[in-house]
Amino acid sequence: DAEITQSPRHKITETGRQVTLACHQTWNHNNMFWYRQDLGHGLRLIHYSYGVHDTNKGEVSDGYSVSRSNTEDLPLTLESAASSQTSVYFCASSNMNTEAFFGQGTRLTVV
Amino acid sequence: DQQVKQNSPSLSVQEGRISILNCDYTNSMFDYFLWYKKYPAEGPTFLISISSIKDKNEDGRFTVFLNKSAKHLSLHIVPSQPGDSAVYFCAASGGPGNQFYFGTGTSLTVIP
Repeated sequence: DAEITQSPRHKITETGRQVTLACHQTWNHNNMFWYRQDLGHGLRLIHYSYGVHDTNKGEVSDGYSVSRSNTEDLPLTLESAASSQTSVYFCASSNMNTEAFFGQGTRLTVV
Repeated sequence: DQQVKQNSPSLSVQEGRISILNCDYTNSMFDYFLWYKKYPAEGPTFLISISSIKDKNEDGRFTVFLNKSAKHLSLHIVPSQPGDSAVYFCAASGGPGNQFYFGTGTSLTVIP
């Protein structure tokens, strides 16, 4: 079955470190998205991509970057982790005529 | 500023009764709307969607209503079941497959 997987599921890192969260989908979807979930804010869009080599900033992109070198993967990088980036991160994918399918999430703690 | 708003953080309903979850949006360019359900420690799962050419869409116990002039949509669950207890997120986009903007969520508790 097609799926979307995130790794790691849990991560603790120190302030200032670079961290990369992985997202891999086997749906062959063109569109991929990264969201963060925080209490009181719901799901906020960080970055998104509509295809290989395409990336776009979302609502809360500062301090994050993505790159899309193939259809299946959209890794999210925190260049220099900050405590404000402690959150649960969700990756999603979709095609033009489908809803978005979400991964299980990565809980990131920055200490 | 939040483009999609869910003003009720929580809702409690008796089993068998109707649950009504509400959502408002500000961007008139949105023309595709979705509801997602989320259990703790899991990713959101798609529930139902509606495009702006419709004002109602039904799928079993779930019905979504769209009022474009009021920029308002609602999700009705009838009858509500204890397994429906979850956080429900409303989302909007400029079209299917485009980036989605989510509301803050409403935590639904269905009391047996």
